[in-house]
Amino acid sequence: AQKITQTQPGMFVQEKEAVTLDCTYDTSDQSYGLFWYKQPSSGEMIFLIYQGSYDEQNATEGRYSLNFQKARKSANLVISASQLGDSAMYFCAMRDMDTGRRALTFGSGTRLQVQP
Amino acid sequence: DARVTQTPRHKVTEMGQEVTMRCQPILGHNTVFWYRQTMMQGLELLAYFRNRAPLDDSGMPKDRFSAEMPDATLATLKIQPSEPRDSAVYFCASGLVIASLSDHEQFFGPGTRLTVL
Repeated sequence: AQKITQTQPGMFVQEKEAVTLDCTYDTSDQSYGLFWYKQPSSGEMIFLIYQGSYDEQNATEGRYSLNFQKARKSANLVISASQLGDSAMYFCAMRDMDTGRRALTFGSGTRLQVQP
Repeated sequence: DARVTQTPRHKVTEMGQEVTMRCQPILGHNTVFWYRQTMMQGLELLAYFRNRAPLDDSGMPKDRFSAEMPDATLATLKIQPSEPRDSAVYFCASGLVIASLSDHEQFFGPGTRLTVL
């Protein structure tokens, strides 16, 4: 079974500063994928970034980067130069890549508020 | 701009009524997922299909929920009879799975916000 833990229910950050959202995971799978999604107040789920368990480089997508520490089973999201539009719920998720089961297991989310 | 569409966006109904939610996956995608989001349980998988065949519906209450894909362009989630505890946002997502290729992204629809009174 897979489990995702996000221990920060809410975070505040000043505009233009960087922020790290924590995510730890538990799985017995050897091959898995880690994802971050953003959910603004409008409700849609927006894919941000993906990291494969065998990827040696940390994933980056624009202002988003994923700090992947496999031994510690953590996959923290780093948002650089925060913008007011980054205020949203952020979900960490994972998926097994071995069995072909493609469904995502989500964490409980972190609400990020960017302050001007 | 390819998107997953869901209808209706909002539904208010009374306990005991049948509810049908529809999803149109992105054209060409061969996997469809139904997730439910509540404050208490967060986001949880209800069912998922590949090539229209159900692969996993273990998260779905079998006595009242049913999910189908009548064709490749339509997925439905039905609740009969509905109960107040079914109030939630129901998301449909689609993706493309090709053997030997690493697919990453699931594209989510805007969700159906269901309120059962």
